[in-house]
Amino acid sequence: DVKVTQSSRYLVKRTGEKVFLECVQDMDHENMFWYRQDPGLGLRLIYFSYDVKMKEKGDIPEGYSVSREKKERFSLILESASTNQTSMYLCASSHLKGQEGGYTFGSGTRLTVV
Amino acid sequence: QKEVEQNSGPLSVPEGAIASLNCTYSDRGSQSFFWYRQYSGKSPELIMSIYSNGDKEDGRFTAQLNKASQYVSLLIRDSQPSDSATYLCAVNRGGNKLTFGTGTQLKVEL
Repeated sequence: DVKVTQSSRYLVKRTGEKVFLECVQDMDHENMFWYRQDPGLGLRLIYFSYDVKMKEKGDIPEGYSVSREKKERFSLILESASTNQTSMYLCASSHLKGQEGGYTFGSGTRLTVV
Repeated sequence: QKEVEQNSGPLSVPEGAIASLNCTYSDRGSQSFFWYRQYSGKSPELIMSIYSNGDKEDGRFTAQLNKASQYVSLLIRDSQPSDSATYLCAVNRGGNKLTFGTGTQLKVEL
């Protein structure tokens, strides 16, 4: 089974802190994605990557950055955490760049910024 | 207009009945479509994908696609209490980037 692992299930951080969310997949998938999920807004794409050292902005990249130094690892960085970044963060990976493939999601990180 | 629209529900069906979940999308060029199930407090899990007009069956699940009407549906036959969850419709907008609807909450009652 494809496994996508997010390092933390719950995090509480203070406003202004730099926050790192880690995601690792073990199936050699090319594509990796970061979404946030909020009630009433659904899942929104923050950043994605099709390859090592490659990154592209999604729909809501402001206040975030990403890093993909190895194929299996995709990190989301909150440069200076704010309370409006309190959310559930979901990492996903998929195979078949440019073709049709569904995602496998990690278990999610529920981040609270106080 | 939202890119992917779903009725938020809750949709309540009795155990053993057929649950019908619907989704419309705005991008006529979309080519692939997915249904995810999300239990409360858990992450979404893929249950069905469909790429061509018509029906696709997998066990108790049937996905239906009508590209002319920009409509995707999911039928769950013989609904069980364990099917109670939120069902997310997702549309591939190109480059394997998925746009999700906000989900329909399904409740299967004993």
